[in-house]
Amino acid sequence: NAGVTQTPKFQVLKTGQSMTLQCAQDMNHNSMYWYRQDPGMGLRLIYYSASEGTTDKGEVPNGYNVSRLNKREFSLRLESAAPSQTSVYFCANRDREHSPLHFGNGTRLTVT
Amino acid sequence: GENVEQHPSTLSVQEGDSAVIKCTYSDSASNYFPWYKQELGKGPQLIIDIRSNVGEKKDQRIAVTLNKTAKHFSLHITETQPEDSAVYFCAAIINFGNEKLTFGTGTRLTIIP
Repeated sequence: NAGVTQTPKFQVLKTGQSMTLQCAQDMNHNSMYWYRQDPGMGLRLIYYSASEGTTDKGEVPNGYNVSRLNKREFSLRLESAAPSQTSVYFCANRDREHSPLHFGNGTRLTVT
Repeated sequence: GENVEQHPSTLSVQEGDSAVIKCTYSDSASNYFPWYKQELGKGPQLIIDIRSNVGEKKDQRIAVTLNKTAKHFSLHITETQPEDSAVYFCAAIINFGNEKLTFGTGTRLTIIP
């Protein structure tokens, strides 16, 4: 039972390249989230999906797109990477109101 | 939107002593307050949470207190141990169809043996 699985663990991109960060859950939870973590800034919400087929912007959505094609998977896409997107990205899920977030172990992305 | 402030940003305590981390929130409608612990190279993990209808909650060496009037909540760790060394995040959420959990900026806790 893996919980929330993120791939890849590490990635280096050049400015302007694109990539997709993958997230999959085996917990059958409705809501899924993408956060970025930067030093001194905590965790900031990029996008979330309250249920399969729906997505909404979070606090810092610019430069990102997401896709929730099924209940299990929620991907984050960077169409044209910028150095400001160097960060650690976390995917999380949640079952219902007043329940905790369950996080994956993160993807460390460096954009040069 | 909600704003959560967390203090201190770093905290060092002797093993066996207590540690306290404080957070304030801005939106009085917030009604759920979880605390997360993040170890190096891992994602944050929930350690304790409290709802707005409760003033205090304890789980072994960890406790959380909530003051709704002052809009602040605190994490208390007693009898600290080396494995308590980690980064701790507080968070707040309004659970009325709003799925957005707002996090504090984190506290790096170091337990000195």
